[in-house]
Amino acid sequence: DQQVKQNSPSLSVQEGRISILNCDYTNSMFDYFLWYKKYPAEGPTFLISISSIKDKNEDGRFTVFLNKSAKHLSLHIVPSQPGDSAVYFCAASDDDYKLSFGAGTTVTVRA
Amino acid sequence: DVKVTQSSRYLVKRTGEKVFLECVQDMDHENMFWYRQDPGLGLRLIYFSYDVKMKEKGDIPEGYSVSREKKERFSLILESASTNQTSMYLCASRTTGGVLETQYFGPGTRLLVL
Repeated sequence: DQQVKQNSPSLSVQEGRISILNCDYTNSMFDYFLWYKKYPAEGPTFLISISSIKDKNEDGRFTVFLNKSAKHLSLHIVPSQPGDSAVYFCAASDDDYKLSFGAGTTVTVRA
Repeated sequence: DVKVTQSSRYLVKRTGEKVFLECVQDMDHENMFWYRQDPGLGLRLIYFSYDVKMKEKGDIPEGYSVSREKKERFSLILESASTNQTSMYLCASRTTGGVLETQYFGPGTRLLVL
């Protein structure tokens, strides 16, 4: 059973607006969370991460929020750009070793 | 520059064939991983290796085996390919003790089993 869930398979957003991607998890032992971005015909690349001791981490246009009590995290992209069109995977770990991934959300940024 | 390469981008095989997927990394990483990516399921870990000749099962090892004879190379083997093994296969590597962000992925092999 999947321990990391991304319930929105796709998201369409206008260029310049905010993209919000959501991720839920069931394993309370997860203590580190990452977001990966994947373009077609390429492997996933690391985007941003957050430790369970924090509730927010920012890197330029990307911010990840963690709500441990709700077992929920979200990725905000502001402002969205055409180059952000990709598949985004949420991932989590409880052992600093293996990653559990969500199903992914395909983001399309419209000009 | 970090590099994980996979021997084939696309592969078409027949049911029952033995299939080898090869992955090579040039970063001297100890840890290597094989995932499969399927729509609606994301990336699922098949096997991983934390050193030469060492391997551990991931979440979905059934129908697969692996080989790690050299540090830089990690092979995924489908002993008798079946149609439900049609998928995108991704290899990754990471150094021991390195932060999770340093797990680098190859471009993937799209396998079609007929």
